Order: sequence, then C-alpha cells, then structure tokens
Amino acid sequence: EAGVVQSPRYKIIEKKQPVAFWCNPISGHNTLYWYLQNLGQGPELLIRYENEEAVDDSQLPKDRFSAERLKGVDSTLKIQPAELGDSAVYLCASSLSGGLNTGELFFGEGSRLTVL
Amino acid sequence: AQSVTQLDSQVPVFEEAPVELRCNYSSSVSVYLFWYVQYPNQGLQLLLKYLSGSTLVKGINGFEAEFNKSQTSFHLRKPSVHISDTAEYFCAVIKTGANNLFFGTGTRLTVIP
Repeated sequence: EAGVVQSPRYKIIEKKQPVAFWCNPISGHNTLYWYLQNLGQGPELLIRYENEEAVDDSQLPKDRFSAERLKGVDSTLKIQPAELGDSAVYLCASSLSGGLNTGELFFGEGSRLTVL
Repeated sequence: AQSVTQLDSQVPVFEEAPVELRCNYSSSVSVYLFWYVQYPNQGLQLLLKYLSGSTLVKGINGFEAEFNKSQTSFHLRKPSVHISDTAEYFCAVIKTGANNLFFGTGTRLTVIP
C-alpha cells in the first residue's frame, strides 16, 4: 500500500514568489495534517482537516498561507508571497478519524523549501 | 500549556552499546506519549506509544520506553544499537481528548562503527 506522497521534495525560490505543495494521503484516511518543521525543531501543526473541512487552522499564518482539500482527498498548501523565514520542511501526514487518540499518524517524506 | 523536552540534541554511541534517549513532559492532566523516528531522507514513523496500561512499552526494532508519571518522563531505550538505528528521534505528547500532537525538538542518534 502506498504511503503519504508529497511533492515536490525540494523547492528553491526567491523571496516574494509563490509556492505550492501537494499531498496525497493514504487511501481511506479521513484526517490530513500539514506540519512545519524548522531546522533543529520538531514538527508544528499548521492545519488539520477532517475530510474536506479544516477543523484546526489556528496556527496557519493566514496572511500568506492557504490550504485546501477539495473532495476530501488530496491537499495543497500554498505560500504567497514567500519570505526568507519560510525556509523549512513542510510535512503532510494522514490518519484514520480519531488518529490523534492513538498517535498513529503516517507522514510523508516532506517538501523542503529554500527561500533565497 | 503542555510541552515536551528532549534534553539531548545529539547522542553518539558505539555500535552494540546501550542507549537511552531522554524525554520529559509537562502536563497537569493525563497524556498519551509517543516516540517517532525519522531515518535520513524519510518521513517520520511511529516507533512506540503509551496510551494506558503497562508503563513499559515495546516498539519496533528492539526499542522500548517506560512511562514514569512521578518523574513525568518517557525515556526511550535500546540495549544494543545497530548502525541502522542512526536517525532523528522525536518524543511527542497529546493531552487526552485534545486535538494536537506536540513534538519535542528531537535527538539525533549517531551510531559509531
């Protein structure tokens, strides 16, 4: 069974440019998460979806970040415009509903963003 | 607020030696505790978890961890490490009934041949 798939794996852009990351969760997983991982830090939640509904986006910087999960499957995370401080790894994870009760989140390999 | 502290950012250890990676948490309520591992160029994967019951939990690849409520700790141990255990290890906590998994800053385990 395929795991969580993310693309692109690496992206280098200049500041003020837009960027988008795509995530395909494990089939059947209703819950999808986007995490931000800065260098030397643990992952921090940006947004959590239950099906197509964003149920927790309190940590998403809404002035420049946006996310969508159309049809409750794939998701896209966008940054516009990107800033130098956005350089980080963006992780997507998925789980069955109630995954937070068991901690069984399945992570993709991440998308590493470098903003010049 | 709850937090997770991983006291060691880097732990070098010789092959076949034992290792302990430390994790402490702060919470005034019951918690669930987890260890995730991130191998080079791979995503995080769940190593083991404590939800309830026995305080000694066993995970994949010979790792185990012990929940100590009085010490608010959940240290990860392995009696004999292999080169393939070289990775980043993250402790994580969730308050029971809450909706977020909080990660520590990670410990980079390097196994030396």
